[in-house]
Amino acid sequence: DAGVTQSPTHLIKTRGQQVTLRCSPKSGHDTVSWYQQALGQGPQFIFQYYEEEERQRGNFPDRFSGHQFPNYSSELNVNALLLGDSALYLCASSLKETGLFYEQYFGPGTRLTVT
Amino acid sequence: AQKVTQAQTEISVVEKEDVTLDCVYETRDTTYYLFWYKQPPSGELVFLIRRNSFDEQNEISGRYSWNFQKSTSSFNFTITASQVVDSAVYFCALSEAKAAGNKLTFGGGTRVLVKP
Repeated sequence: DAGVTQSPTHLIKTRGQQVTLRCSPKSGHDTVSWYQQALGQGPQFIFQYYEEEERQRGNFPDRFSGHQFPNYSSELNVNALLLGDSALYLCASSLKETGLFYEQYFGPGTRLTVT
Repeated sequence: AQKVTQAQTEISVVEKEDVTLDCVYETRDTTYYLFWYKQPPSGELVFLIRRNSFDEQNEISGRYSWNFQKSTSSFNFTITASQVVDSAVYFCALSEAKAAGNKLTFGGGTRVLVKP
């Protein structure tokens, strides 16, 4: 049973550049969420995708955008990178069933460093 | 707005000691879910437990146990007879039961260091 996978594992970018992170959900899951975890802090919710639409969004600027594909995989795009965007980006998947969502399972994360 | 507070930033114990992690939450919803996740040095968040707001029955799973008290908005977690492999950061999280989605609000985490 494949778990949540993310790519790449590490990434170094320069301020002002754009980055795309990728996530494949756990087998059987249809919902993908993205979180940003700064060093020494708890994860912060960015947004959640279900049925290829953004369903919920946290307090992140429009520079952060995403997409979900028909196979439920997802991308997180960040434009005009700032030094403060350096963090571990975590993808989580869950299953929406009968109107309720269940526990989220996390991938290993992508460590983004902005210089 | 939801909020989760983990007042303990770091706990250090010697192997075989018990360790209890505190979690206090705030929400306006009457139906919600509470979670504990473990984050070892590898970085991947590992799901440990989910509790529903309407089920206050406490639970024991091996060396782990959870104490949910709705009256005090607390959801504490105890590791009995700790082991070195328990060393990690533990996060408490809250999710509202909305059809729109299940975003998690995390606490700041408690780092547990178990010394041999």
